[in-house]
Amino acid sequence: KAGVTQTPRYLIKTRGQQVTLSCSPISGHRSVSWYQQTPGQGLQFLFEYFSETQRNKGNFPGRFSGRQFSNSRSEMNVSTLELGDSALYLCASSLGPSGGRTDTQYFGPGTRLTVL
Amino acid sequence: TQLLEQSPQFLSIQEGENLTVYCNSSSVFSSLQWYRQEPGEGPVLLVTVVTGGEVKKLKRLTFQFGDARKDSSLHITAAQPGDTGLYLCAGETSGTYKYIFGTGTRLKVLA
Repeated sequence: KAGVTQTPRYLIKTRGQQVTLSCSPISGHRSVSWYQQTPGQGLQFLFEYFSETQRNKGNFPGRFSGRQFSNSRSEMNVSTLELGDSALYLCASSLGPSGGRTDTQYFGPGTRLTVL
Repeated sequence: TQLLEQSPQFLSIQEGENLTVYCNSSSVFSSLQWYRQEPGEGPVLLVTVVTGGEVKKLKRLTFQFGDARKDSSLHITAAQPGDTGLYLCAGETSGTYKYIFGTGTRLKVLA
């Protein structure tokens, strides 16, 4: 079974631009979560989607947005990029609601975004 | 705000030594996961613990979930250079649909 894939793997943008990152979950997984990882702040939760609905979001400005499609693939968008947005953006997928079963998440390799 | 504190933050040891990494919180979690991450890659799941007091073993790695489900530890026996990496714990609170990640422990095992 293929793992979580993220595209692109590397991206260089300049301040003020916008960027869209893509995540394809493991086949059969319906939940997708996004995280930002930086050396200073560690791994921080951005948002989680299940069946095209955002169920939770972290403490990030409105410039960070996401969506999920009917095939469970997800995209996140960052508008008006700032230097501080440079980070590794990670996507994780899981099966979703399970009636009590622990929902284990599996991570993709990440997209390394550099903002100049 | 839920926080997961990991200690130590950095650890450099010789091959063959034993070590323990701690993950502590004031919050109760329904489950807790441990990951290892290598540079430029996503975290790779090592184990999930769900029951207070649970102990799981994965070869030379032993994971324990605290009785109150607020803390966890990872013990590595006879560390090897291949154990080098960033170790992360992550806790899930039932119904929140999000994981809180620990601050991370960067381990380096010297040959």
